[in-house]
Amino acid sequence: DAEITQSPRHKITETGRQVTLACHQTWNHNNMFWYRQDLGHGLRLIHYSYGVQDTNKGEVSDGYSVSRSNTEDLPLTLESAASSQTSVYFCASSEGRRGLRTDTQYFGPGTRLTVL
Amino acid sequence: RKEVEQDPGPFNVPEGATVAFNCTYSNSASQSFFWYRQDCRKEPKLLMSVYSSGNEDGRFTAQLNRASQYISLLIRDSKLSDSATYLCVVGINTGFQKLVFGTGTRLLVSP
Repeated sequence: DAEITQSPRHKITETGRQVTLACHQTWNHNNMFWYRQDLGHGLRLIHYSYGVQDTNKGEVSDGYSVSRSNTEDLPLTLESAASSQTSVYFCASSEGRRGLRTDTQYFGPGTRLTVL
Repeated sequence: RKEVEQDPGPFNVPEGATVAFNCTYSNSASQSFFWYRQDCRKEPKLLMSVYSSGNEDGRFTAQLNRASQYISLLIRDSKLSDSATYLCVVGINTGFQKLVFGTGTRLLVSP
């Protein structure tokens, strides 16, 4: 079955280290997204991509970067991890086909990141 | 003011009860509306889309009032398995469908 996976599922790192979170989808979806979820906030968009070689900043993009070299993967990199980036990170994808009335986003299982 | 506001709850109800959640949104350009369900420490999953005409899926009914910028979810005959957090989500088309999430309403159904 098609799916969206994230790895690692749990990660503990130290302040200042570079961290990369992986996201892989097998639906052949055009659009991919990264969100973070913190207590007291709804999911907040970090970065998104419409397709290969396309990346865009979301509302909380500072300190994060993404790259889209193929359809299936959108890795999220924390250039220099900070304690404020301790969070649960969700990757999502959607079909992104023109003319869709609604473009449902499907979420991966999440990565719980702790920055000490 | 948050773009999407929900009562965080928790709503504690017995099995078989009917429970309603409400949500308000501030952006009048919002074009699509959803309820997602999120179980503890799991990913959000689409429960249902919400249309102006209202829609029903089994025990779940969603309503949209565009004039009041208000969305509701009604759950009838609550089951233990309905215990979860329900996220109100609004979509704004800005070249792609940007989703704005509420912080969620927690439901606890007890025997």
